[in-house]
Amino acid sequence: GEDVEQSLFLSVREGDSSVINCTYTDSSSTYLYWYKQEPGAGLQLLTYIFSNMDMKQDQRLTVLLNKKDKHLSLRIADTQTGDSAIYFCAESLRDDKIIFGKGTRLHILP
Amino acid sequence: EAQVTQNPRYLITVTGKKLTVTCSQNMNHEYMSWYRQDPGLGLRQIYYSMNVEVTDKGDVPEGYKVSRKEKRNFPLILESPSPNQTSLYFCASSLDRGSYEQYFGPGTRLTVT
Repeated sequence: GEDVEQSLFLSVREGDSSVINCTYTDSSSTYLYWYKQEPGAGLQLLTYIFSNMDMKQDQRLTVLLNKKDKHLSLRIADTQTGDSAIYFCAESLRDDKIIFGKGTRLHILP
Repeated sequence: EAQVTQNPRYLITVTGKKLTVTCSQNMNHEYMSWYRQDPGLGLRQIYYSMNVEVTDKGDVPEGYKVSRKEKRNFPLILESPSPNQTSLYFCASSLDRGSYEQYFGPGTRLTVT
């Protein structure tokens, strides 16, 4: 069945890089996404990658996709306190249904 | 400003008392959906709507109803709420179901006692 897995917590020191990992099971994914949820707010699309790409960079964000291993990662360079949030990995399937992971809570240490 | 609004943001109610959570978007989006977010379970889709008068069940539709009489509004109805429906609810919209970006509302925290 369709499933998206990610670790629940990650602690990173301010200024270091954060790497949030995600694995998915459905090889027919068309897009893969990273959403950010700040406290008390809804989800906001952070970045996305089309399934035929293996990397996408956008300022401090780098998305890597290993389609063979069904592994997606989000790297945040120079992590700041404002990056503290829950990050959701998600995939869209061929029927356009979107499956979300359970979210990774990123905690920034001073 | 393009946005999805939900009301109320917080609601405490008792078992069996019918309630409606409203959702409205101002982006002329065709696709709208409702999710619930629970600790350890992530986001699960309750219902979705591809267009006016077209609604369909998501992964966890039991105990919920929806309607889509107008393009901008997609209310979530709990006819007889129960404590297991205590959750954080999000409405979302996108241009269509295949659109890569969904816009989420700010959430409604519902407690059923």
